[in-house]
Amino acid sequence: AQSVTQPDIHITVSEGASLELRCNYSYGATPYLFWYVQSPGQGLQLLLKYFSGDTLVQGIKGFEAEFKRSQSSFNLRKPSVHWSDAAEYFCAVGQGAQKLVFGQGTRLTINP
Amino acid sequence: DAGVTQSPTHLIKTRGQQVTLRCSPKSGHDTVSWYQQALGQGPQFIFQYYEEEERQRGNFPDRFSGHQFPNYSSELNVNALLLGDSALYLCASSVGPTGQGREQYFGPGTRLTVT
Repeated sequence: AQSVTQPDIHITVSEGASLELRCNYSYGATPYLFWYVQSPGQGLQLLLKYFSGDTLVQGIKGFEAEFKRSQSSFNLRKPSVHWSDAAEYFCAVGQGAQKLVFGQGTRLTINP
Repeated sequence: DAGVTQSPTHLIKTRGQQVTLRCSPKSGHDTVSWYQQALGQGPQFIFQYYEEEERQRGNFPDRFSGHQFPNYSSELNVNALLLGDSALYLCASSVGPTGQGREQYFGPGTRLTVT
């Protein structure tokens, strides 16, 4: 069965510092991987996706993620966070537009 | 170009009642999926509709049912509401139920509170 683990429930970083959010997945076939962001009381916005090809993918808002098959990981990174990046981040695995399986989420707090 | 829209925004119901939530997909999309997001959790897949049929279903009881209309909009119905049904219900739309490169676009959600 598909599953996604986000080991960090809550992360706090200072504004301007670098960020890495961890995501590990379990999936029998080649996965399609996604990162979504959710601001309080809002729906989900797609940050980036990996389907195939280059394992380093670029997304919106300066985010990137790297797919590592050997580690079953798809970690999200940003070189310098802004106060507006404070939100909940969800990693998800799926196949095409079939159902998505989400992790529990990582809440990001930014210190000024 | 309108994105995914959902109504109502908020809803308060009493245990045992029935509720209907509505979703209009993004323009050009023909597939609608529904997710339940409990407080502090990630979204969980309820079911997916394509060509007016339920194509895939998650681990939810039969109290949860849905419908898709010819214009691709969709409804989620929940009968005999329980306190545990309190959650944010998210609708997502996409182009076709399968295929590569078909990400899902999410609406803002409907916050359901059961008292």
